[in-house]
Amino acid sequence: EAGVVQSPRYKIIEKKQPVAFWCNPISGHNTLYWYRQNLGQGPELLIRYENEEAVDDSQLPKDRFSAERLKGVDSTLKIQPAELGDSAVYLCASSPLAGSGETQYFGPGTRLLVL
Amino acid sequence: GEDVEQSLFLSVREGDSSVINCTYTDSSSTYLYWYKQEPGAGLQLLTYIFSNMDMKQDQRLTVLLNKKDKHLSLRIADTQTGDSAIYFCAEKGATNKLIFGTGTLLAVQP
Repeated sequence: EAGVVQSPRYKIIEKKQPVAFWCNPISGHNTLYWYRQNLGQGPELLIRYENEEAVDDSQLPKDRFSAERLKGVDSTLKIQPAELGDSAVYLCASSPLAGSGETQYFGPGTRLLVL
Repeated sequence: GEDVEQSLFLSVREGDSSVINCTYTDSSSTYLYWYKQEPGAGLQLLTYIFSNMDMKQDQRLTVLLNKKDKHLSLRIADTQTGDSAIYFCAEKGATNKLIFGTGTLLAVQP
């Protein structure tokens, strides 16, 4: 079974440019998460989807970040415009369903460097 | 607020046991997790424990939970060089989202 797929794996852009990350969760997983992991830190949740609905986006900087999961399957996270402080690894995770004990499976991440 | 803390580094010799410690603040935590992250890779779930359990063993891994002290540990028996990685503790509380620690870098010396 394929795991969580993310692309691209690496992205280098200049500040003020837009950037987009894509995630395809494990087949059948209803819940999808986007995390940001700064260097030397643990991941921090940006947004959580249950099917196509964003149920927790309280940590998403809405002035420049947006996300969508239109058909409740794959998802895109966008930053426009990017700032130097956005350099980080962006991780996508999925789980079978939202509940107290579901396991989250992580993708390899997209490493973003903003110059 | 919710906070999870870990020591930054642990160095052990191959064949020894490793013990990675974690403390958390959320008294309403329901599940606690250990994830492993190898260089350039995503997080791999190693094991988890429900908050009403004291111990869970899975092959070379033993998780101990002291709920009173809000202390979680991961013991790796017979540590191998392939165990070298960053280990993250995470807790899930009332908000139903994972709060991660900063990770412990485990270095295994041959």
